[in-house]
Amino acid sequence: AQSVTQPDIHITVSEGASLELRCNYSYGATPYLFWYVQSPGQGLQLLLKYFSGDTLVQGIKGFEAEFKRSQSSFNLRKPSVHWSDAAEYFCAVGAGDDKIIFGKGTRLHILP
Amino acid sequence: DADVTQTPRNRITKTGKRIMLECSQTKGHDRMYWYRQDPGLGLQLIYYSFDVKDINKGEISDGYSVSRQAQAKFSLSLESAIPNQTALYFCATSGTSDEQFFGPGTRLTVL
Repeated sequence: AQSVTQPDIHITVSEGASLELRCNYSYGATPYLFWYVQSPGQGLQLLLKYFSGDTLVQGIKGFEAEFKRSQSSFNLRKPSVHWSDAAEYFCAVGAGDDKIIFGKGTRLHILP
Repeated sequence: DADVTQTPRNRITKTGKRIMLECSQTKGHDRMYWYRQDPGLGLQLIYYSFDVKDINKGEISDGYSVSRQAQAKFSLSLESAIPNQTALYFCATSGTSDEQFFGPGTRLTVL
């Protein structure tokens, strides 16, 4: 069965520091992979997605993610975080039947 | 105007009451979904619909029912609300790709 694991429930980084949020997936075929962000009181917004092709994917707000098939990972990165990046981040895998399986989320805290 | 809207945005109700949450979309998508979000659990799929005549149960459909009144409208009902249905509920749509577009959510509290 498909699954998504986000090992870190909370991450705290200082403003201006680099960020990496981890995501591992379990899926038998080539996955569709997504990162969504949820700001407080808001719905989910798509940051980026991987369907095929270049394994380094650029998204909105300066985020990128790299698909590594050998590690079954799709980690999200940003070189320098801003206070406005404080939010909850969800990794998701397309389950091949027009459904998406979400990870449990990582809440990002930013220190001034 | 938002592409996916949900009403109400907040609702407080009592145990045993019937509640309907509504979702409308202007994206022209065939696929619509209802999720609930609980702290630390991510999003869990309740029901989904691939067109007006197609309704499917998700992971946690017990205690819920849905109605797809039109391509643009997908309603979620709690037949007899109970406190552990207190959660944040999201509607989403998708088109030809797996990318989903989310509404702003409905915060439901069952006392």
